[in-house]
Amino acid sequence: GAGVSQSPRYKVAKRGQDVALRCDPISGHVSLFWYQQALGQGPEFLTYFQNEAQLDKSGLPSDRFFAERPEGSVSTLKIQRTQQEDSAVYLCASSLEGARFGQPQHFGDGTRLSIL
Amino acid sequence: AQSVTQLGSHVSVSEGALVLLRCNYSSSVPPYLFWYVQYPNQGLQLLLKYTSAATLVKGINGFEAEFKKSETSFHLTKPSAHMSDAAEYFCAVSEGGAQKLVFGQGTRLTINP
Repeated sequence: GAGVSQSPRYKVAKRGQDVALRCDPISGHVSLFWYQQALGQGPEFLTYFQNEAQLDKSGLPSDRFFAERPEGSVSTLKIQRTQQEDSAVYLCASSLEGARFGQPQHFGDGTRLSIL
Repeated sequence: AQSVTQLGSHVSVSEGALVLLRCNYSSSVPPYLFWYVQYPNQGLQLLLKYTSAATLVKGINGFEAEFKKSETSFHLTKPSAHMSDAAEYFCAVSEGGAQKLVFGQGTRLTINP
């Protein structure tokens, strides 16, 4: 079946612009996660949704970062007034229930964001 | 707070040799542990997971890992390396009640012909 789909795969923006990154999770997966992966580093947690509810946003680095999942399926990560330090790969993952129950997270190929 | 340490940011082995990638975790409760592999310009693919059912876990592509509570370790091994194993490997932990995964810094595996 189809995996997690992210778009665009690559995004180049000028500093100060707003960007929106999209994630289509695996059908039927309740949980959705966003991670940020800087060059040469492991992914770092940004935020977590269970259906449409955003249950944990403790990893969002600033109020410029905003995520939503209005219908409990597709999610969008928005970054306002982008800065150079926002350059990274943004990974989306989904799972049936979440890591709490040992369910593995299935990752998309990511969006590589470059801020000029 | 939970954390993961992967010893060795780069590991290089010869084709056919044993692969050993080290992972140590810190957790106040029995954790869930995962190994993921990442190929260039791709997302993370699950290799295997530990969820307390058995301490020796077998995964895909001939990889396995052993959970050792006394050593707080979850090292990844493969008896015989193949060229296609060259990739970045990440160990991750999640505690019960916490949904998010906490990743190590990753280990880049290089296979020499």
